[in-house]
Amino acid sequence: EAGVVQSPRYKIIEKKQPVAFWCNPISGHNTLYWYLQNLGQGPELLIRYENEEAVDDSQLPKDRFSAERLKGVDSTLKIQPAELGDSAVYLCASSPTGSRNTEAFFGQGTRLTVV
Amino acid sequence: GDSVTQMEGPVTLSEEAFLTINCTYTATGYPSLFWYVQYPGEGLQLLLKATKADDKGSNKGFEATYRKETTSFHLEKGSVQVSDSAVYFCALSDRGSTLGRLYFGRGTQLTVWP
Repeated sequence: EAGVVQSPRYKIIEKKQPVAFWCNPISGHNTLYWYLQNLGQGPELLIRYENEEAVDDSQLPKDRFSAERLKGVDSTLKIQPAELGDSAVYLCASSPTGSRNTEAFFGQGTRLTVV
Repeated sequence: GDSVTQMEGPVTLSEEAFLTINCTYTATGYPSLFWYVQYPGEGLQLLLKATKADDKGSNKGFEATYRKETTSFHLEKGSVQVSDSAVYFCALSDRGSTLGRLYFGRGTQLTVWP
């Protein structure tokens, strides 16, 4: 079974430029998460989807960050414009819906460097 | 709000030594508790979990017991190997009918020397 796939693995951009990250969750997983992991810290939730609906986006900085999950499968996270402080690893995860006795499966992440 | 406090690292041990990584939590209600591991160059992987008080999660020789009275979920292994070198994250999920947001600790870097 394929895991959560993220691309790109690495991205270097100049500040004020836009950037987008893509995530393909595990087939059949209706719940999708985007987490932000700063260096030396644990991941923090940015947004959680149940199918196409964003059910928890309270931590998403909506002035510059946006996300979408069309058709309830793949998802894209965008930053526009990027700032130096956005340099971090962006993690996507997915989990089956319908039970709390489950786990979140994580992708390898996209490491963003803003220069 | 919900949070996890994790023992700070780095932790350096010799092979076959005993490992403990402390984790305590603050939560409303009765969360599920997790230990995730991140090996170099890889994504986060679930190591073990416990969904209710007094449950013991175990995997690959690692164990952790959900202690409601002390709000703790300490990770232990009796004899570590070089291959256990990784970053370990304690996490909890908020209460709900489905797996919700995960709250992570800061992570503990473990290095095991031969």
